[in-house]
Amino acid sequence: GQQLNQSPQSMFIQEGEDVSMNCTSSSIFNTWLWYKQDPGEGPVLLIALYKAGELTSNGRLTAQFGITRKDSFLNISASIPSDVGIYFCAGTTSGTYKYIFGTGTRLKVLA
Amino acid sequence: GAVVSQHPSWVICKSGTSVKIECRSLDFQATTMFWYRQFPKQSLMLMATSNEGSKATYEQGVEKDKFLINHASLTLSTLTVTSAHPEDSSFYICSAREGFDNSPLHFGNGTRLTVT
Repeated sequence: GQQLNQSPQSMFIQEGEDVSMNCTSSSIFNTWLWYKQDPGEGPVLLIALYKAGELTSNGRLTAQFGITRKDSFLNISASIPSDVGIYFCAGTTSGTYKYIFGTGTRLKVLA
Repeated sequence: GAVVSQHPSWVICKSGTSVKIECRSLDFQATTMFWYRQFPKQSLMLMATSNEGSKATYEQGVEKDKFLINHASLTLSTLTVTSAHPEDSSFYICSAREGFDNSPLHFGNGTRLTVT
């Protein structure tokens, strides 16, 4: 099935550093969601975005709905060890109710 | 709020047997639930959309006779893997949507299926 491209695929960062990741699509999206998945568990919703240009925060996390509606960004400030996991973006296009998931960004934090 | 419970969390079965996985929305009504499959180190692949009171809609390439979905109530959907084979071994995750078409999905904790 169709997938969204996420970048980077994986990253190692030092504790305390800021993290940025993005998600891109060839199609225009109406909704963007960001999830975090820990090993062996289901994804947990972090942030939901519904309007182009929207910038939303959830604690140390900030996500933006790209102006072109073909991308979204997630930033994590002052990373901590529990930020380790896989981050997925997901989105819906006009006329469909199904969410397409990104390829994932695997985050590893070095203490 | 928006809690989704999935059971069992893991199951081992012999080839040829069937396995049922339950997905419940605990504190909201879900007219639509989605079943995903995830292989190791890969993303979530949508298998089917489960609609309360009607037949499920399967994604291309997903065998509807192998993966039976029943959405009997607004809080329960089940996925039955029939005549399981080792290649069906995977992580199956359900999700539920509380409201309108683009409202967020809330996920269960997944079921690790191993077919021997």
